[in-house]
Amino acid sequence: GESVGLHLPTLSVQEGDNSIINCAYSNSASDYFIWYKQESGKGPQFIIDIRSNMDKRQGQRVTVLLNKTVKHLSLQIAATQPGDSAVYFCAESPLRRGQNFVFGPGTRLSVLP
Amino acid sequence: GAVVSQHPSWVICKSGTSVKIECRSLDFQATTMFWYRQFPKQSLMLMATSNEGSKATYEQGVEKDKFLINHASLTLSTLTVTSAHPEDSSFYICSARDKRGAANTGELFFGEGSRLTVL
Repeated sequence: GESVGLHLPTLSVQEGDNSIINCAYSNSASDYFIWYKQESGKGPQFIIDIRSNMDKRQGQRVTVLLNKTVKHLSLQIAATQPGDSAVYFCAESPLRRGQNFVFGPGTRLSVLP
Repeated sequence: GAVVSQHPSWVICKSGTSVKIECRSLDFQATTMFWYRQFPKQSLMLMATSNEGSKATYEQGVEKDKFLINHASLTLSTLTVTSAHPEDSSFYICSARDKRGAANTGELFFGEGSRLTVL
């Protein structure tokens, strides 16, 4: 069935480096995507979103890129900090399911000192 | 940003008992709330969509008689795990969208989650 998945289950980066977390989705009808950050034992926190009529959106230290041609989503974190260590999920909103979101399997980001 | 509160944050119960988890939107009204289940090191799996004033819509494979959902008001949804067993032990998370937001878009606000441990 349709799914959202990630290429890398874990990612380790040096503090201060840039991080790139990738996500592949298979439902071409999805038109809204969100990146969430989840720290251990806590609920997901919204990071940034993007709609399918855009290919790039920037926030504070974060950028989301959307490539609809290859159904690929990425989250870039600039100057990664220890506080960025968490699991990151991408989520897509399939139109036919109304307001529901489908989450990818998640990538654990570890920031090394 | 908007706040969604879950209670309790952690509950331990004996096998066979029922446990109720509350999800409240504290500073906005939520027509729709979502309940997710998350096992360790896994992603969030949508269990059901809770609509205020109507029956919840359950995802395939989720037993509606076991996971009772009530959305009695625009700020409160409850999930009751009936006759809980050890395999029901999990992290349960709710989310809500402000009713003023456009349908199918807009940020989802998540609760902090409720960890259920069934002995």
